[in-house]
Amino acid sequence: QLQLQESGSGLVKPSQTLSLTCAVSGGSISSGGYSWSWIRQPPGKGLEWIGYIYHSGSTYYNPSLKSRVTISVDRSKNQFSLKLSSVTAADTAVYYCARVCDFWSGSVSYYYMDVWGKGTTVTVSS
Amino acid sequence: SSELTQDPAVSVALGQTVRITCQGDSLRSYYASWYQQKPGQAPVLVIYGKNNRPSGIPDRFSGSSSGNTASLTITGAQAEDEADYYCNSRDSSGNHLYVFGTGTKVTVL
Repeated sequence: QLQLQESGSGLVKPSQTLSLTCAVSGGSISSGGYSWSWIRQPPGKGLEWIGYIYHSGSTYYNPSLKSRVTISVDRSKNQFSLKLSSVTAADTAVYYCARVCDFWSGSVSYYYMDVWGKGTTVTVSS
Repeated sequence: SSELTQDPAVSVALGQTVRITCQGDSLRSYYASWYQQKPGQAPVLVIYGKNNRPSGIPDRFSGSSSGNTASLTITGAQAEDEADYYCNSRDSSGNHLYVFGTGTKVTVL
């Protein structure tokens, strides 16, 4: 069974870069035509879609974060990563990684996140 | 970017039916997916596409869509269904951009 596990720095100083990795186990990140996503949730608030990397390698980002975000895949390590630059206190959140099913079936578009990591808390503070 | 709007909170008596709605322009053209999140836990996919449940999701969860509104219905709500529920769908401002709904807290009385 596929499992995802986030890891990275739990405390980041303002203006620095947040770096997280999502390790994929129980399957290959390169198989099945899946895409890979990051989502975050500030304390006491709702979910925010950060972006995702399509199975082709193309990346798509939330317009409000686009200038600061990079999502990449390291197929040799079976993992994908998130970098968020110039962080502020507003970036404090639980960060989740997820597997994305993104495909068309006939005229119907499907997009859903079917496997999630447990999440990792990132605090931005000096 | 477009928004997906949900009622902040709804309550349902144990064993009764509750419908959670998600409104947004993009829902006229694209299906929503629905996620259940319990306190301190990661979200779990409960419905995707027209009305598809992942393996392990009880059949009391169902989805539907009409016009600019997507709905998640819990028929015969159980105590363990008390959670936050979020919809997610395409952002109408561009391809491959997505957005979550504002979330609905479901309380089972």
